[in-house]
Amino acid sequence: GQNIDQPTEMTATEGAIVQINCTYQTSGFNGLFWYQQHAGEAPTFLSYNVLDGLEEKGRFSSFLSRSKGYSYLLLKELQMKDSASYLCAVRDPDTNAGKSTFGDGTTLTVKP
Amino acid sequence: EADIYQTPRYLVIGTGKKITLECSQTMGHDKMYWYQQDPGMELHLIHYSYGVNSTEKGDLSSESTVSRIRTEHFPLTLESARPSHTSQYLCASEGNQETQYFGPGTRLLVL
Repeated sequence: GQNIDQPTEMTATEGAIVQINCTYQTSGFNGLFWYQQHAGEAPTFLSYNVLDGLEEKGRFSSFLSRSKGYSYLLLKELQMKDSASYLCAVRDPDTNAGKSTFGDGTTLTVKP
Repeated sequence: EADIYQTPRYLVIGTGKKITLECSQTMGHDKMYWYQQDPGMELHLIHYSYGVNSTEKGDLSSESTVSRIRTEHFPLTLESARPSHTSQYLCASEGNQETQYFGPGTRLLVL
């Protein structure tokens, strides 16, 4: 099974940098996703890490350490529209369907 | 931009009614999923399919059923809706890039 932990809430200031952590304990691992979900909307894909290291994509970066069971999502130059829930999801390698287990999400509030 | 659609977007229905939530995608993806999500809560996988004629139950027990007769469609059916079924239902599909694309969701209210 999979156990995923991430902080429930975070607050940051517009223009600042924020790091959202995710730790996981799993019976197997086949990659880690980050999704953004605005209130009342469906999740949208942000990043996918399968190898250790940092993946940068514009203002967003995602880091993975498989040996530590740890990932973070880094958001730079925060904007008000970044206020959303950020979901960490670990892919289960044990099925052909590629199931992913989602964390509870971190609600980020960006203040002026 | 992913092309995955869900209908209806909103549904209010009485207890005991049979309902079908539609999900379709035009990307030719083999893998499709149904999630249930209450407001502000985590996503729970209730059904998934890795191709035509394959369906599996997910991690969360659900009284719903699904079918996958065509690649494009993955409808979810509740034979007899109850107030406990009130929730948001999200459909997703996945192609070779191992990224799940979510539909806009169906918000279901059972009175």
